[in-house]
Amino acid sequence: DSGVTQTPKHLITATGQRVTLRCSPRSGDLSVYWYQQSLDQGLQFLIQYYNGEERAKGNILERFSAQQFPDLHSELNLSSLELGDSALYFCASSPRGGAASPLHFGNGTRLTVT
Amino acid sequence: GQQVMQIPQYQHVQEGEDFTTYCNSSTTLSNIQWYKQRPGGHPVFLIQLVKSGEVKKQKRLTFQFGEAKKNSSLHITATQTTDVGTYFCAGPSADSSYKLIFGSGTRLLVRP
Repeated sequence: DSGVTQTPKHLITATGQRVTLRCSPRSGDLSVYWYQQSLDQGLQFLIQYYNGEERAKGNILERFSAQQFPDLHSELNLSSLELGDSALYFCASSPRGGAASPLHFGNGTRLTVT
Repeated sequence: GQQVMQIPQYQHVQEGEDFTTYCNSSTTLSNIQWYKQRPGGHPVFLIQLVKSGEVKKQKRLTFQFGEAKKNSSLHITATQTTDVGTYFCAGPSADSSYKLIFGSGTRLLVRP
């Protein structure tokens, strides 16, 4: 168990809908990362927060947004969903904000858009 | 933009054979990390290399960081069925020290 909690585990929704994915980092970790993994693909970096502030952004679609709250949990909001958004979404946490710290991943949320 | 490529994409070996995956970055990396993702699982951190030419071992796994800090390799001696999974390398992005970029991954399949 990595200590990173992601909910829900599975999500099935229709095109055009909006969903929220939630992540609680490991106790003591201040940094949260979000990654997207499509079927049999690599891990695409979406966004990273450190202690409530956005620190880095990847090729995240404008339909996607995220935030990290004062209690350090994070939410990833996906709107106007398209079939191509179907993927595994991972949250990861680390103690510090830089990419020098190893990441601890949650079990992921599998999103299916029909 | 920066690319982190891994070869091969797939490797199917007989149990007991050796396995190597190579990671190449288009830019110099301050550090490189390796992760393993079992089928249906999440990536799990294996190791981090920081120094040029560094070599680290974990039981049957040997990790190496290139002299130019642009490439790395993971070698598994005498593979076992428990080694099955996808191995990813990852390094900081050239445009942001907060962004960790993952390689394309190498999927290892082991025939018992």
